[in-house]
Amino acid sequence: SAVISQKPSRDICQRGTSLTIQCQVDSQVTMMFWYRQQPGQSLTLIATANQGSEATYESGFVIDKFPISRPNLTFSTLTVSNMSPEDSSIYLCSVLSGDTQYFGPGTRLTVL
Amino acid sequence: GNSVTQMEGPVTLSEEAFLTINCTYTATGYPSLFWYVQYPGEGLQLLLKATKADDKGSNKGFEATYRKETTSFHLEKGSVQVSDSAVYFCALSPDIGKLTFGQGTILTVHP
Repeated sequence: SAVISQKPSRDICQRGTSLTIQCQVDSQVTMMFWYRQQPGQSLTLIATANQGSEATYESGFVIDKFPISRPNLTFSTLTVSNMSPEDSSIYLCSVLSGDTQYFGPGTRLTVL
Repeated sequence: GNSVTQMEGPVTLSEEAFLTINCTYTATGYPSLFWYVQYPGEGLQLLLKATKADDKGSNKGFEATYRKETTSFHLEKGSVQVSDSAVYFCALSPDIGKLTFGQGTILTVHP
């Protein structure tokens, strides 16, 4: 199994600013992912965080808006840049451990 | 592309009632199928999964069968409890680690 923690758990930010979300796993994992859950909607994959190389983004998401770091096998960050109210969402870190995918508790972001 | 459609909620049931939450999918190839659950105030967690046609996933009294002919993965439980109140997400995975989720179904079970 894998236990995932995220920081911060929630934040309220002003438009135009940036927020960096941290994801820490209690064991080394090869694959880490970032998802977004917009209000009243389902989860959408933002990108795969690759250790030692650039993240792989899904259609509709770009590195300039959501830069991701993955310095080692237990840690990743997602930055939400130049925020607007449309970025208000829950951001979740996810890892694959064995054949099971685990999710962090999420970071609830509100942009005013 | 890949997509998942769940029955619209919310679903409200009395304790010990039978539960069905419908889930159908569109996918190329033969993805793995999942049900995730999000209890109030908690993170998303895997409830059950099936990796190939006719497989039945089961956990905590919940069951779902991978039906390729109807592209469905309906979630069922014979007798729900108040503690089953949560949001349930159907999902598919065409690639390892990459999940496509349905919109989620809110289940409320009353005593």
